[in-house]
Amino acid sequence: EVQLVESGGALVKPGGSLRLSCAASGFTFSGAWMSWVRQAPGKGLEWVGRMKSKVDGGTTDYATPVKGRFTISRDDSKNTLYLQMNSLKTDDTAIYYCTTSHLNLEDPDSWGQGTLVTVSS
Amino acid sequence: QPVLTQSSSASASLGSSVKLTCTLNSGHSRNIIAWHQQQPGKAPRYLMKLEGSGNYNKGSGVPDRFSGSSSGAARYLTISNLQSEDEADYYCETWDDKHWVFGGGTKVTVL
Repeated sequence: EVQLVESGGALVKPGGSLRLSCAASGFTFSGAWMSWVRQAPGKGLEWVGRMKSKVDGGTTDYATPVKGRFTISRDDSKNTLYLQMNSLKTDDTAIYYCTTSHLNLEDPDSWGQGTLVTVSS
Repeated sequence: QPVLTQSSSASASLGSSVKLTCTLNSGHSRNIIAWHQQQPGKAPRYLMKLEGSGNYNKGSGVPDRFSGSSSGAARYLTISNLQSEDEADYYCETWDDKHWVFGGGTKVTVL
């Protein structure tokens, strides 16, 4: 069974930094493209960024609101995905979800349970 | 980059059917999309991926009541025999080489 477990959410002041983790199990993590998606209170889902598998180049892409401030990385030896968030703004307050990002019709995707990040003074 | 358009709300009676629409913008009408369900207070749940031909592949444990279909740039999610637990927000999602995008979501109310 696929499991994605996020951790690291916290209350942080504007301008601060935070690192989220996503522990994966139940599938071949090293071969998977992975994404972070967030949801601000009362709002819809917003894609944050994606990291390809190392075999596909390991490159990252980001949504415009977070580009230059957030960085996605992975440690395939630990089956873990990370989201480093710097220069945090109040608008970054949201639940952050880790997801798989399989491109093919045949490959189902999965979601974690989310971790809450609150940016407030 | 792709853009997805969804109606903000839909409603139907218990035991009836409801058909949700997700429309792709020009230049992306052949994209595969995914449908996700988010029940109140819960994390999203993957339902299925759906391609332009109408072929779809559901996630594990997704009831038979959920089905997908397509017509041109439109992608549909039909929920038959609507149950109270189907009251939720439904999001479609698609991607290109550098961007993943979500539709604004449709809130389904079971009457």
